[in-house]
Amino acid sequence: KNQVEQSPQSLIILEGKNCTLQCNYTVSPFSNLRWYKQDTGRGPVSLTIMTFSENTKSNGRYTATLDADTKQSSLHITASQLSDSASYICVVRNSNSGYALNFGKGTSLLVTP
Amino acid sequence: DTGVSQDPRHKITKRGQNVTFRCDPISEHNRLYWYRQTLGQGPEFLTYFQNEAQLEKSRLLSDRFSAERPKGSFSTLEIQRTEQGDSAMYLCASSQPALGQASNGYTFGSGTRLTVV
Repeated sequence: KNQVEQSPQSLIILEGKNCTLQCNYTVSPFSNLRWYKQDTGRGPVSLTIMTFSENTKSNGRYTATLDADTKQSSLHITASQLSDSASYICVVRNSNSGYALNFGKGTSLLVTP
Repeated sequence: DTGVSQDPRHKITKRGQNVTFRCDPISEHNRLYWYRQTLGQGPEFLTYFQNEAQLEKSRLLSDRFSAERPKGSFSTLEIQRTEQGDSAMYLCASSQPALGQASNGYTFGSGTRLTVV
């Protein structure tokens, strides 16, 4: 069964601190993995997309890693800002699905002053 | 055209009423998707269009739900005889056919928040 598990479910950090969010998946065969940021009441916005051959990809203060062997990914946020408060969703595409994406439940991040 | 547009942003309706949502995808995207998202959950796939053809429907899409994309551009999602369990965020996304493995054209709209009272 194609599953995407994220941890922690929620996280509170102080502004300026770093944090790392985890994503484990069982989706197979693997096509690509995406991290999305979703602000409350808004649609998800893509942060990174990684294919099988990519280990690390950065987008500003966001750095995603992928270990396709262990089927794990992480999203590292550096020097957090209040505006980083959001839900971060890991999404894995099955190369056989053609269209459907497998979504994690997300990690809810709160950055406090 | 700056992205995927959804209308309305919020809808409050009484149980038993019908509602219709609209999605305008990115103009050059021929694929359009509808998802439903409840609080604390990730989006759940509802249905998928390629141009005007509805190619897949999830089991979540009961017979009270119907989606159309008549001219292969905008799409509508109608819910008939709404129930309280239909309360959710309804997200639309669009994409282009993948150019290689990394399809990066998968863009979501801001969603329509439905509340059934």
